[in-house]
Amino acid sequence: ETGVTQTPRHLVMGMTNKKSLKCEQHLGHNAMYWYKQSAKKPLELMFVYNFKEQTENNSVPSRFSPECPNSSHLFLHLHTLQPEDSALYLCASSGQAINQPQHFGDGTRLSIL
Amino acid sequence: ILNVEQSPQSLHVQEGDSTNFTCSFPSSNFYALHWYRWETAKSPEALFVMTLNGDEKKKGRISATLNTKEGYSYLYIKGSQPEDSATYLCAASGGSNYKLTFGKGTLLTVNP
Repeated sequence: ETGVTQTPRHLVMGMTNKKSLKCEQHLGHNAMYWYKQSAKKPLELMFVYNFKEQTENNSVPSRFSPECPNSSHLFLHLHTLQPEDSALYLCASSGQAINQPQHFGDGTRLSIL
Repeated sequence: ILNVEQSPQSLHVQEGDSTNFTCSFPSSNFYALHWYRWETAKSPEALFVMTLNGDEKKKGRISATLNTKEGYSYLYIKGSQPEDSATYLCAASGGSNYKLTFGKGTLLTVNP
């Protein structure tokens, strides 16, 4: 139990569907992150939120839309995805100090048909 | 964008062997170096965060060192056990302490 919970664990969707991934943390952290893990590639940072404000958008296509309503919850809204978007999506949270590790959820395995 | 390299890509050792892997990163504009352990079907688990040149950290049979001047970190596992089998990820931050750039990882398999 890492304190970071992601739902759903698995998601299969068509290219025209709209779905959302959810992440929740009960660690009192103020920074939250979305990462993408594609096969044979390193973990890629997508978005960073700090105190509910987006501080990093790593050139992510607009078909991925993050939302952070409060410091404990982070969503990733998906719309009109492409087959190459099939991947494992990981959420993480951390404290503010430079020496704080990130705490990861188990991820959502996303498959686009 | 940082370039973080890990070697080797994969490693098979026998139970009881000691082993080590390398992480290299740009030495300029360095903030912190993270090591994570990622077992299959689980979430990445933080092992160490190091910030100062010469830092050494230890957690049981696992230890890590940091050289920020030359841009590398070593992770050591003493007396490997089958339960140490996992992918070991390193990540560096530079320029922003929230933005981590990950390497591709070293996949360790410990044979009983």
